[in-house]
Amino acid sequence: ETGVTQTPRHLVMGMTNKKSLKCEQHLGHNAMYWYKQSAKKPLELMFVYNFKEQTENNSVPSRFSPECPNSSHLFLHLHTLQPEDSALYLCASSQEKGYSNQPQHFGDGTRLSIL
Amino acid sequence: AQKITQTQPGMFVQEKEAVTLDCTYDTSDQSYGLFWYKQPSSGEMIFLIYQGSYDEQNATEGRYSLNFQKARKSANLVISASQLGDSAMYFCASDTGRRALTFGSGTRLQVQP
Repeated sequence: ETGVTQTPRHLVMGMTNKKSLKCEQHLGHNAMYWYKQSAKKPLELMFVYNFKEQTENNSVPSRFSPECPNSSHLFLHLHTLQPEDSALYLCASSQEKGYSNQPQHFGDGTRLSIL
Repeated sequence: AQKITQTQPGMFVQEKEAVTLDCTYDTSDQSYGLFWYKQPSSGEMIFLIYQGSYDEQNATEGRYSLNFQKARKSANLVISASQLGDSAMYFCASDTGRRALTFGSGTRLQVQP
């Protein structure tokens, strides 16, 4: 059983819809991450939060809007997405950003399909 | 910038045999961590093993071991006594602390009975 929970597991939405992905970690970690995994591409880092503060935005289009209300919860708000945004979106957490020896623990992901 | 290279898109191994998955990395940082993750078809990323750049001994975790050759900048994963449940995608990744994980493109391992 994972300590990082993502909902929903699957999401189908039209390009004009607004939806949100949710991530919750039960590991007492202080850093949380969003990754995008497209077919035949390496995992791409999207956002990093450390102690609720955004520390990295990897040139992500503004149609993706992250929110981190506390160290245990992370959201990804979606609006006006494009077909190329269809992918598996993975959330991860780690003890704290800034140390190279801490593994990230991942959720099961949300598989997003844009019609 | 960090870069991870996994040159084997796919690998086959017979059940109960050992298999080595290759990973090379490129970083200018002196301190970094190397990680291997397993991703079954269900999608979740499972942490397998970690090697620190200053660790003198190769990391081991059960049937997983990491063959760390710092001078060659390689961090190959060795899985001993392969099992059918080992069939999955395997990703090598690095972390320098300043940036989040950088992943390779992955190797799909298929264990044959």
